[in-house]
Order: sequence, then structure tokens, then C-alpha cells
Amino acid sequence: EIVMTQSPATLSASPGESVTLSCRASQSVNNNLAWYQQRPGQAPSLLMYGTFTRATGVPARFSGSGYGTEFTLTIASLQSEDFAVYYCQQYKRRYSFGQGTKLEI
Amino acid sequence: ELQLVQSGGLLGPPGGSLRLSCVASGFTFGSYEMNWVRQAPGQGLEWLAYISSGGADTKYADSVDGRFTISRDNAENAVFLQLNRLRPEDTALYYCVRSYYTEYFDQWGQGALVTVSS
Repeated sequence: EIVMTQSPATLSASPGESVTLSCRASQSVNNNLAWYQQRPGQAPSLLMYGTFTRATGVPARFSGSGYGTEFTLTIASLQSEDFAVYYCQQYKRRYSFGQGTKLEI
Repeated sequence: ELQLVQSGGLLGPPGGSLRLSCVASGFTFGSYEMNWVRQAPGQGLEWLAYISSGGADTKYADSVDGRFTISRDNAENAVFLQLNRLRPEDTALYYCVRSYYTEYFDQWGQGALVTVSS
């Protein structure tokens, strides 16, 4: 099983700031990495796939990078609707999620 | 409009069985792989099961292999999850999820709460 580890668990920031979330895989997943956003009381939604490709409708202030075992999600100029929980997921070998990073104001 | 509509919440006793259903609309259901993912209260996401577009291939997480069974009816645009030998730790919000081939999860249902309690 590929274990995904996210850091930090909680990140505090203010609107207008930029933040970077990290995700590490226990073994290489190449670029088979996706990010999901989950707002309170809602189902998760796809944010990014293939490490850096934004899903339909996702604003350009979201960007992804990395390869192999180290990945990051950067959100520039935070908006109020960006405060949520973010999960990374590998899909190279079956599926596994990180434990999530809560982005709070 | 693309939708995955799940059945309502269910309650079952430890050791019992439940069946979740999810009906799709707005896309060619039989062309897509489907999955089930759960989220325990206040916790993260856990992938449970996968079924290929035609239903011939299934995969399970070790935590539920042998207890849960995924199936689908392409004529009815529906996917199911049979939960057997329920445990209290199976209490969670269960999501049906469409995947892009065997890759990322691009559409999620609204979730259905399963509560295991006597």
C-alpha cells in the first residue's frame, strides 16, 4: 500500500495571502497525483490531477507541482471560499489519500 | 446535468448487512469506472472499492475485502455497495464516485450516512 502523508495538518492564513500545502508518497507515484477540496458539509471535489492539471472551472490561482514522492499545492491570493480541507490522492497503485490539510482563516 | 444521487442514510446492527445504491444521470454510465469512498466522522477519506465500466473487474481495500461487495447495473445506471458483517467502525459517510478510467475521481455523489449501532 502506498501511504500518503500531508503537511501541515492545519494551516492558518489570511485572505490575499499565498500558501503551499505538501504531500509526500511512501514510494514513487510518478505524476499520478490528484488534489481534492472539501468545504464544510460538502462532498469533496476534484481540484487538480496529473500533479498540475487544473480540473474544469478551477481558478488559475491554484497550481500544483512535484513528481515521484514530493508534491505541493500552491494557492495564490487566498479567497474566502478557499478555506477548506485539501486532500492529496495517488492513483498509481490502487488509490490512497493523505489525511488532509485544513486551511483556516 | 451530471449527477450521482445516493440513497438515504441507513442504520444497521453490528454483524448485520446493508446495501447502498447510487443512480447516475447526465452521462453514459456504462462507459465509466465507479468507486466507493467513505469518511468517518471528523476523519479523512478512505477508498473502499472499484468496479470497471462493464462490471467484470473489481478491487477492494484490505480493510473491507471479503465483507463489502461492489456491483453495478448498467441498464439502470446504478452502482451498489453491499456491506456485510458490519462493525461499529464502519459508521461513516459513504460516497459513490466516478473515476476517469482507473485514475482520478472526477464526480462525487452527495454521500449517504451509514450508522452501525445496536
